[in-house]
Amino acid sequence: DAGVTQSPTHLIKTRGQQVTLRCSPKSGHDTVSWYQQALGQGPQFIFQYYEEEERQRGNFPDRFSGHQFPNYSSELNVNALLLGDSALYLCASSLTGSSGTGRETQYFGPGTRLLVL
Amino acid sequence: QKEVEQNSGPLSVPEGAIASLNCTYSDRGSQSFFWYRQYSGKSPELIMSIYSNGDKEDGRFTAQLNKASQYVSLLIRDSQPSDSATYLCAVRLYNQGGKLIFGQGTELSVKP
Repeated sequence: DAGVTQSPTHLIKTRGQQVTLRCSPKSGHDTVSWYQQALGQGPQFIFQYYEEEERQRGNFPDRFSGHQFPNYSSELNVNALLLGDSALYLCASSLTGSSGTGRETQYFGPGTRLLVL
Repeated sequence: QKEVEQNSGPLSVPEGAIASLNCTYSDRGSQSFFWYRQYSGKSPELIMSIYSNGDKEDGRFTAQLNKASQYVSLLIRDSQPSDSATYLCAVRLYNQGGKLIFGQGTELSVKP
């Protein structure tokens, strides 16, 4: 049973560039959440996708956008990169299903480490 | 006031001792509580989830929740050097969908 996978593992970009990060959820999961984790900090919620729509969004600018595909995989896009966007980007998958109890557990992928120069 | 606060650490305990990690949260609408372990350079790994007041045990780990005091803790019995990691407390608010709010993490070091 494959867990959450993310690609690429590492990425180096320069200021002003654009980047796309990819995530495949754990088998059987239908919901993908993205988090940004700066060094020495806890993860910060960016947004969550369910049924190919953005269901919830954190306090991140519009430069951060995403997409979910019919197979539940997801992309995170960041435009006009800033030095402060350097961080570990984590994808977490969970199962919302039809009940949506609110107790869904999120399982994290290995992350993509982004460095902006 | 931060939404979720943890002891900044680092917390150092000898091998075999009990490690106690604490977390407080500010929103009384918090519904679900999670402890994740994160080794250096790796992603968070779920250890425990707890939803009701009281204790929940899983092997050497015990999570404790007190909603009246807005406090959740994690006890690690018989601590091992392999338990050395950063422990993240995460909270989900009621009717806030899937968003998890994390504390800054507590670094635990278990000395042989």
